[in-house]
Amino acid sequence: SAVISQKPSRDICQRGTSLTIQCQVDSQVTMMFWYRQQPGQSLTLIATANQGSEATYESGFVIDKFPISRPNLTFSTLTVSNMSPEDSSIYLCSVPEGAYGYTFGSGTRLTVV
Amino acid sequence: AQSVTQLDSQVPVFEEAPVELRCNYSSSVSVYLFWYVQYPNQGLQLLLKYLSGSTLVKGINGFEAEFNKSQTSFHLRKPSVHISDTAEYFCAVRPLSGNTPLVFGKGTRLSVIA
Repeated sequence: SAVISQKPSRDICQRGTSLTIQCQVDSQVTMMFWYRQQPGQSLTLIATANQGSEATYESGFVIDKFPISRPNLTFSTLTVSNMSPEDSSIYLCSVPEGAYGYTFGSGTRLTVV
Repeated sequence: AQSVTQLDSQVPVFEEAPVELRCNYSSSVSVYLFWYVQYPNQGLQLLLKYLSGSTLVKGINGFEAEFNKSQTSFHLRKPSVHISDTAEYFCAVRPLSGNTPLVFGKGTRLSVIA
């Protein structure tokens, strides 16, 4: 099964700054998904990142706030820009695995102060 | 579009007792169904999944789930829980076609009491 290395695992950031989260996959994948998990909540899809094209954002998420890069088939970054305390969440990346499964990164626990 | 409802946000249960975590879904197309577990301060781990065939699916750590198409349910069960089962459990679905992302329920917090 695919293995995802997600960094950083946690960070505490000042409001108004930006944080870039990285996901490295040990195999080539076409699609990568980015999720947000707010405290005590479920996972909400932020965007789908395909290599070689612009990411597709879900309703309520915009590129200026959450720019995504996908330079190759094994790597992607999500930036949380101009952070506020409301951005404090766990951010996870995920890739399809085989025909039906999904693998998740271990998550980035972000606290904005 | 799909939606997932986990009927219980929190389930406390005594150690060695049975537990059932309920999950209902809504979809206009056929779906695959999943249960994931998230231990404190950890990522998501797949417990089990239903793709086709037998409606009773066995997963890791002694968990099983039964797919009921008529009731659009996929409840998770374990006959005897352990302290180590304390975690957040998420039910998720995705359509059969394409590599579409999972749609998650809000999660059920299982607390096992000694």
